[in-house]
Amino acid sequence: SQTIHQWPATLVQPVGSPLSLECTVEGTSNPNLYWYRQAAGRGLQLLFYSVGIGQISSEVPQNLSASRPQDRQFILSSKKLLLSDSGFYLCAWSEWGGRGTPLHFGNGTRLTVT
Amino acid sequence: RKEVEQDPGPFNVPEGATVAFNCTYSNSASQSFFWYRQDCRKEPKLLMSVYSSGNEDGRFTAQLNRASQYISLLIRDSKLSDSATYLCVVNIPKPAGGTSYGKLTFGQGTILTVHP
Repeated sequence: SQTIHQWPATLVQPVGSPLSLECTVEGTSNPNLYWYRQAAGRGLQLLFYSVGIGQISSEVPQNLSASRPQDRQFILSSKKLLLSDSGFYLCAWSEWGGRGTPLHFGNGTRLTVT
Repeated sequence: RKEVEQDPGPFNVPEGATVAFNCTYSNSASQSFFWYRQDCRKEPKLLMSVYSSGNEDGRFTAQLNRASQYISLLIRDSKLSDSATYLCVVNIPKPAGGTSYGKLTFGQGTILTVHP
């Protein structure tokens, strides 16, 4: 069966520090991968999605970036965090093929920028 | 108009009650629909897909109305453990000529509280 791992679970970082969140998927090949953010009391905002290695689409302008160095690895990064980057970050995968198959989420990373 | 819109609630119902949520979507070409459940401070989890003919999973029934562009979720015999935020998810197709199938777009969620 497929599993998705995301770490760390909780992170407290000062403003201006770098960020690296990692997500890996097991049990499937060539998945679609996603990074979402959920601010406190708000809905999910799609940040990035990837349909293959090195293929990243950005949904909103921001100081974050994403990379997919391996088929089942997705990384979210920032060179300098802002206070507004605080939130609940969720990695998700869906089956390759792109016909609107459901998303499966990791446990999420709760980021607080101080 | 928002691409996917839900009544945020909150819905407060007693145990055993029947409750229904609706979710409207703006793109008539949407083909895939889902309901997710999100507990406080947790990740969303897939509750059920929504099929054209409607589908049922135990106490949960999902329906799709293409003519009016909405989906619904009905929960019968509510349990305390049903308390959560329910998220409607719709596939929003890309414009014609694009290479991507589109993206899954989440509604803001409907908060349900079931009380004793």
